Amino acid sequence: EVQLLESGGGLVQPGGSLRLSCAASGFTFTSFAMSWVRQAPGKGLEWVSTISGGGGGTYFADSVKGRFTISRDNSRNTLYLQMNSLRAEDTAIYYCASGSTTFDYWGQGTLVTVSS
Amino acid sequence: DVVMTQSPLSLPVTLGQPASISCRSSQSLVYSDGNTYLNWFHQRPGQSPRRLIYRVSNRDSGVPDRFSGSGSGTDFTLKISRVEAEDVGAYYCMQGTHWPRTFGQGTTVEIK
Repeated sequence: EVQLLESGGGLVQPGGSLRLSCAASGFTFTSFAMSWVRQAPGKGLEWVSTISGGGGGTYFADSVKGRFTISRDNSRNTLYLQMNSLRAEDTAIYYCASGSTTFDYWGQGTLVTVSS
Repeated sequence: DVVMTQSPLSLPVTLGQPASISCRSSQSLVYSDGNTYLNWFHQRPGQSPRRLIYRVSNRDSGVPDRFSGSGSGTDFTLKISRVEAEDVGAYYCMQGTHWPRTFGQGTTVEIK
């Protein structure tokens, strides 16, 4: 059974940093690109970032480019999202999802709140 | 960026009746490999999204056959042949052909 388990969310002040993690199991992690998608309170889904299976290719939404970095540790089957210079508009539930074109499986999400 | 436009945004339906959601893209979603990466997701209140349909018309394992996807190029449709109570929630189309990946605004299905 495929499982994606996000962690690392919480309350952070504007300008602060946070690192999210997504622990994967039930599939061959290295064979799949992985993505982050977020959902602001009461809003729709917004793609944030994707990383290739080997980690050599990364893609970012313009809204986070230069502030967020995506990485993965294939030895630990874990995906990361390092978020710097956080803004109020980054407040959202952050989901990790498997794949880059079809987003096959999703985690339960982790809530990030940016507020003073 | 490819804009994904869903309609309607709100869809009240009667149990047992059909429902249909349209999704239009501002550019063709046919990729250079010949595939069309148009996917549909369902999100129940308080839950994470779940994929229903991938590459236009392929139903995911465990998805009831009352759900079907169709379309091509820039015009796509999700149909529910007979709506059941568990089908309430938000439905999103999403394109995985172009960067950045983009989602439709979402269609909220509710029971009349």
